[in-house]
Amino acid sequence: QQQVKQSPQSLIVQKGGIPIINCAYENTAFDYFPWYQQFPGKGPALLIAIRPDVSEKKEGRFTISFNKSAKQFSLHIMDSQPGDSATYFCAASIINFNKFYFGSGTKLNVKP
Amino acid sequence: KAGVTQTPRYLIKTRGQQVTLSCSPISGHRSVSWYQQTPGQGLQFLFEYFSETQRNKGNFPGRFSGRQFSNSRSEMNVSTLELGDSALYLCASSLGYLDTLGQFFGPGTRLTVL
Repeated sequence: QQQVKQSPQSLIVQKGGIPIINCAYENTAFDYFPWYQQFPGKGPALLIAIRPDVSEKKEGRFTISFNKSAKQFSLHIMDSQPGDSATYFCAASIINFNKFYFGSGTKLNVKP
Repeated sequence: KAGVTQTPRYLIKTRGQQVTLSCSPISGHRSVSWYQQTPGQGLQFLFEYFSETQRNKGNFPGRFSGRQFSNSRSEMNVSTLELGDSALYLCASSLGYLDTLGQFFGPGTRLTVL
């Protein structure tokens, strides 16, 4: 059973657009939701993370929106740039157990 | 602080052989997790070690094993390699508990099984 479902699989936007990537989870015990960015040939890099006690978190051009009742969270990239072209993964975990479940990834292409 | 390092970066093996991959976590991190990444299956959790003990395990066959040393460095071993084991193997380190900083990944070891 897939613990975290991510959509869309791929996304193409123009420079300056706001791509949105969505994730949904089943286990209500999850209490930590990070997003990772991965460039070809590199390991995933932690981008931003949120705990379920807040509904939104911003770091630079990256924003996480969190809907606890719907068990969904999403990543918004403001003023997207070609350098943001990468694969993005959402994940969920229970902090004290340190076991992470990853979404299937979204390949983002930001066109100049 | 230096990041997570993995060696070797690339490896080519033949079916039936065994392989050992190494991971050095960020200084001070006591947890090391291993993941298999493939285009079809995405990131799949293999196992996690904390203070030399396997604390979490994914759904992989017993051919996949690991260990952690007292300095938190970890090794992963795959025996009797199969073609389907070709993947990018990633390790990630973290503090290991009450951890709101998340996991930090290494660059991975690209394993090709011929």
